[in-house]
Amino acid sequence: NAGVTQTPKFQVLKTGQSMTLQCAQDMNHEYMSWYRQDPGMGLRLIHYSVGAGITDQGEVPNGYNVSRSTTEDFPLRLLSAAPSQTSVYFCASSSLEGNYGYTFGSGTRLTVV
Amino acid sequence: DAKTTQPNSMESNEEEPVHLPCNHSTISGTDYIHWYRQLPSQGPEYVIHGLTSNVNNRMASLAIAEDRKSSTLILHRATLRDAAVYYCILRFYGGSQGNLIFGKGTKLSVKP
Repeated sequence: NAGVTQTPKFQVLKTGQSMTLQCAQDMNHEYMSWYRQDPGMGLRLIHYSVGAGITDQGEVPNGYNVSRSTTEDFPLRLLSAAPSQTSVYFCASSSLEGNYGYTFGSGTRLTVV
Repeated sequence: DAKTTQPNSMESNEEEPVHLPCNHSTISGTDYIHWYRQLPSQGPEYVIHGLTSNVNNRMASLAIAEDRKSSTLILHRATLRDAAVYYCILRFYGGSQGNLIFGKGTKLSVKP
């Protein structure tokens, strides 16, 4: 049981470049989300999805796009990277019911220079 | 979203019990109380959750006040591996409002 898999683990981008952070889960969870964590801070919600074809914005969505074409995958796209997007990104999945916990991936450490 | 209040940091000695408090005075009847922890350089890890009754699992126990306005995560015997940031979060019972909104959590230090 792989859980939540994030790739890549590390990435360095130049300002203005684009990239996609991948997230896949094998638990048939309806709910998936992306968080970013800046040094010494808690996690902030970027985007989330409650099922294939359904996405919505979280606290800090600017500069990021998402789509959900399958239950398993929830990629996060940076269209034009900025130094302010340097952070660690975590993907999470869960059942939609509130009495289930979230499963988090191990994170992608992104540096934008 | 309902908010939680936790101490910024706590210290414990190895092999002693640890009680991590959380206040959530604005909790609604449809909020579950979730606890997660984040070890250094890792993603958050689910620890335990509850609604009204106290809960136990292999990792910890969760004691919930009768009025549900506070809760306590109990680690029965702290180990060095338990040094982490612990987050107390309220999760709506379901659907699109069930996002986890993280605060700053409590940083637990464990001394040998």
